[in-house]
Amino acid sequence: DAKTTQPPSMDCAEGRAANLPCNHSTISGNEYVYWYRQIHSQGPQYIIHGLKNNETNEMASLIITEDRKSSTLILPHATLRDTAVYYCIVRMDSSYKLIFGSGTRLLVRP
Amino acid sequence: GAVVSQHPSRVICKSGTSVKIECRSLDFQATTMFWYRQFPKQSLMLMATSNEGSKATYEQGVEKDKFLINHASLTLSTLTVTSAHPEDSSFYICSARWARGRSNEQFFGPGTRLTVL
Repeated sequence: DAKTTQPPSMDCAEGRAANLPCNHSTISGNEYVYWYRQIHSQGPQYIIHGLKNNETNEMASLIITEDRKSSTLILPHATLRDTAVYYCIVRMDSSYKLIFGSGTRLLVRP
Repeated sequence: GAVVSQHPSRVICKSGTSVKIECRSLDFQATTMFWYRQFPKQSLMLMATSNEGSKATYEQGVEKDKFLINHASLTLSTLTVTSAHPEDSSFYICSARWARGRSNEQFFGPGTRLTVL
């Protein structure tokens, strides 16, 4: 599975959009981009995933560049409860394993 | 739906004892479950993959005789830390794969914090 690179930390103001970038320049054609988050002392929570098209659900939007070498997770209106570590993971759909990198620690400020 | 539970949520034990952690998928059947370990301020590290009715597959560097995994049913996997020592103190998290349609989503339990004195 391809490796990902994320900034170690970010912050944003409550109510504003949080845009979390992820680089995955070695991604291959059959690998998906997954996003999970982990709130302190809890298990990770699935957010969204995509292959090449942009995706949106009730939690977030995922924007994948046309060359698929990077993506951005967008939380449209961040709340204090969105403070967490966000993990971007690249994985083949047939590979069940999730290999976590160091993630981005997002702090939402009041 | 897709809830995974773990029991206990927190356990403190003496060095040398064994500790069993249960992971259950409450509203779906999970053919595959995973066990992770997380040390403070670090990311999750995959320990092993557990398939129902077969032996677990351990990641490199994880001692299979120390971390015994049993996946006896489609809704239950157990991790036993044998002869625990203080360095085994960690946050243990399980996840379960829900194979529905084309999705391979994994759902995580809330974690078990193990402290070995």
